[in-house]
Amino acid sequence: NAGVTQTPKFQVLKTGQSMTLQCAQDMNHEYMSWYRQDPGMGLRLIHYSVGAGITDQGEVPNGYNVSRSTTEDFPLRLLSAAPSQTSVYFCASSYIRTGLNSPLHFGNGTRLTVT
Amino acid sequence: AQTVTQSQPEMSVQEAETVTLSCTYDTSESDYYLFWYKQPPSRQMILVIRQEAYKQQNATENRFSVNFQKAAKSFSLKISDSQLGDAAMYFCAYRADSGGGADGLTFGKGTHLIIQP
Repeated sequence: NAGVTQTPKFQVLKTGQSMTLQCAQDMNHEYMSWYRQDPGMGLRLIHYSVGAGITDQGEVPNGYNVSRSTTEDFPLRLLSAAPSQTSVYFCASSYIRTGLNSPLHFGNGTRLTVT
Repeated sequence: AQTVTQSQPEMSVQEAETVTLSCTYDTSESDYYLFWYKQPPSRQMILVIRQEAYKQQNATENRFSVNFQKAAKSFSLKISDSQLGDAAMYFCAYRADSGGGADGLTFGKGTHLIIQP
């Protein structure tokens, strides 16, 4: 019963480096999303997807790319890391077909530091 | 755009007492959903309770209940018989469908709940 799996748990990058945060879910959820959590800011939506091949921007999309080639996977790419992207990142998924009250299932988060 | 406001950055309550966390939101939608999530120091996000806007009855889950006032756009969380394990950050969140199939959650900035033994 894996749920939502995020890797890695921790990552340190230098400014300008690129990396991909991985997210996989095994619950056949249509909806997947990425959030970032900063102190005093709550969680803010970066990108989301309502199904394979469909992605859309959230509140803070700049500097991030996503793709959704399968139902299970929703990677988040940082093309050129900046110190402002230092944060904790959460992947979350849910059903859509059962209604929007379907709870989001969260991964355990990735703490990213950009120096 | 929807906004969610939690006006209490931090709350403190004695063990076994009752505490209420405030949340207000702004939306032009008539159909939406509201949630409270708990985040303990482990960083895990845990759903506490949810409410559908079309339901007048307030949701309850054991010691947790909400006071949903749709006209006032208010969604407070009441925790009865507070326990040490309730200590955490609590986030209020809103979700609707603005036509794209499903929107993400909009979160408040959180309330840090401290339980005094």
